[in-house]
Amino acid sequence: AQSVTQLDSQVPVFEEAPVELRCNYSSSVSVYLFWYVQYPNQGLQLLLKYLSGSTLVKGINGFEAEFNKSQTSFHLRKPSVHIRDTAEYFCAVSDSGGYQKVTFGTGTKLQVIP
Amino acid sequence: ETGVTQSPTHLIKTRGQQVTLRCSSQSGHNTVSWYQQALGQGPQFIFQYYREEENGRGNFPPRFSGLQFPNYSSELNVNALELDDSALYLCASSLDGRGPSSYGYTFGSGTRLTVV
Repeated sequence: AQSVTQLDSQVPVFEEAPVELRCNYSSSVSVYLFWYVQYPNQGLQLLLKYLSGSTLVKGINGFEAEFNKSQTSFHLRKPSVHIRDTAEYFCAVSDSGGYQKVTFGTGTKLQVIP
Repeated sequence: ETGVTQSPTHLIKTRGQQVTLRCSSQSGHNTVSWYQQALGQGPQFIFQYYREEENGRGNFPPRFSGLQFPNYSSELNVNALELDDSALYLCASSLDGRGPSSYGYTFGSGTRLTVV
């Protein structure tokens, strides 16, 4: 079984400032890791994913995340945020055998302040 | 190309009642998955339907059931509603049984169910 911890429930940040949203996971097997974004009143959208290979993963909208196996982390970063990035971000994990059963974290609300 | 459509958008039911939620998949998609997202939580996988058959299930009791129709639309039925069933129910469509690791996995905006 795997689990995901997003320690920050809310992160306020000024526009054009950098941001890091933290995610830690636990699993007894190899994992695949994901970040999703949920804009207000909309469904989730996949931002990026780590399956294997390079530990630095680039996604849509200028976001990137780094897989750190020793620290069991998969933090999401953006060097300069925009107002339109205001949304809720979910980290998720799946074991290598079951893409269907993705375990989501509790989410982090990113609030970009003008 | 139409996206995933869910109906109704909001619903209030009484404990013990039954409810049916509906989902129309994105054009060209043949797989539908359902999730429950309680307030302040991430989505939890309920089940997936592919070619009108259940193709995977999460840790939900049998009173959560579903259907997929020949046009690939789907229904989620919940019997004997409990207060804890209050949540946002999300539907997602995809191709060929793919899960949320696929960039083509498309979520709807959900149905907000309140059980009183």
